[in-house]
Amino acid sequence: EAGVAQSPRYKIIEKRQSVAFWCNPISGHATLYWYQQILGQGPKLLIQFQNNGVVDDSQLPKDRFSAERLKGVDSTLKIQPAKLEDSAVYLCASSLGIRGEQFFGPGTRLTVL
Amino acid sequence: QKEVEQNSGPLSVPEGAIASLNCTYSDRGSQSFFWYRQYSGKSPELIMFIYSNGDKEDGRFTAQLNKASQYVSLLIRDSQPSDSATYLCAVLREAGTALIFGKGTTLSVSS
Repeated sequence: EAGVAQSPRYKIIEKRQSVAFWCNPISGHATLYWYQQILGQGPKLLIQFQNNGVVDDSQLPKDRFSAERLKGVDSTLKIQPAKLEDSAVYLCASSLGIRGEQFFGPGTRLTVL
Repeated sequence: QKEVEQNSGPLSVPEGAIASLNCTYSDRGSQSFFWYRQYSGKSPELIMFIYSNGDKEDGRFTAQLNKASQYVSLLIRDSQPSDSATYLCAVLREAGTALIFGKGTTLSVSS
């Protein structure tokens, strides 16, 4: 079974530029999550989708971050404009059920200069 | 009080010893508990989950849950240098919601 796919793996941009990340979850997984992991911290939820609906986006900085999940499968996360403090690893995860067994993709390491 | 707390370490154990990793959580109603292993530069990998009070064993790993004390632990028996990683404790407060992670404990196993 293929795992969660993410691209790109690395991205370096300058502040105020925009960037987008892509995620393809494990086949059949209805729930998709985007997490931000800053060095030395645990992952922090940005947004959770159930199929193509948003379940929780309470911690998403909506003035600069946006996310969508079209057709309930792939998802994109966008940052516009980026700030220095957005430098982090952006992790996509998916789960089949509601009891929390989430599986992570390889992540995208973003550096904002 | 942080929702999920872990000692950041590093926890250093010799090869073959038992490593004990601990985690406390603040929401008494939390339902499910997970341990993820994260190697440097890699993404978290699920190694254990536990829902009920008591112990759950899987190979060299044992997860222990005490809901009354709001405490969950991970024991790694016969520790190997390949176990050296950061171990993240994660809690599911309600079914259908996202996990809340601790900061992780760094484990170093010396040969």
